[in-house]
Amino acid sequence: IAGITQAPTSQILAAGRRMTLRCTQDMRHNAMYWYRQDLGLGLRLIHYSNTAGTTGKGEVPDGYSVSRANTDDFPLTLASAVPSQTSVYFCATSPTSSTDTQYFGPGTRLTVL
Amino acid sequence: GENVEQHPSTLSVQEGDSAVIKCTYSDSASNYFPWYKQELGKGPQLIIDIRSNVGEKKDQRIAVTLNKTAKHFSLHITETQPEDSAVYFCAAPPMFSGGYNKLIFGAGTRLAVHP
Repeated sequence: IAGITQAPTSQILAAGRRMTLRCTQDMRHNAMYWYRQDLGLGLRLIHYSNTAGTTGKGEVPDGYSVSRANTDDFPLTLASAVPSQTSVYFCATSPTSSTDTQYFGPGTRLTVL
Repeated sequence: GENVEQHPSTLSVQEGDSAVIKCTYSDSASNYFPWYKQELGKGPQLIIDIRSNVGEKKDQRIAVTLNKTAKHFSLHITETQPEDSAVYFCAAPPMFSGGYNKLIFGAGTRLAVHP
């Protein structure tokens, strides 16, 4: 059982390019989340999904979009990357949208030049 | 909204000593307080959590204490070992999350345990 997998592990991207970060879970958790982690700022929520077919905006959603076509996958897309989106991105899950505990994936390190 | 402050930002201890990290929160209705450990190059891993109906919870060498009156909770690591070296994050949920499982994270504490 892998838990949560994220791809790619790291990526260097030219500004203006489109990029999709992938997240897949095998725990059958209903809720999924995307965070970005920046030095000194901790973890900030970008988007979330309470269940397949629904998504919502977190604290810092601008410049990002998500989709949730099924339970297992929750891709994060940067339509036109900018240098301020350089960060480490973590996908997380929780059993339900009302379950406090969140479980994190290994992360994707993204550099936008 | 909820605000979580974490101190210290860095902590250096000798192997075998104890380490204490403290977080304060602003939303008095918060009722769940997890602690995460993040090792270099990895995602945060939940190590212990506490709910507002208890004041202390222990799991081997780690413990969390909660003071709801003062709105703070602390992580205690006893008999520290080099493998405890990591960044530790606290978190708390606000009362009104807007319909999702919202956690507000502290900025993190980098713990270094020296042999």
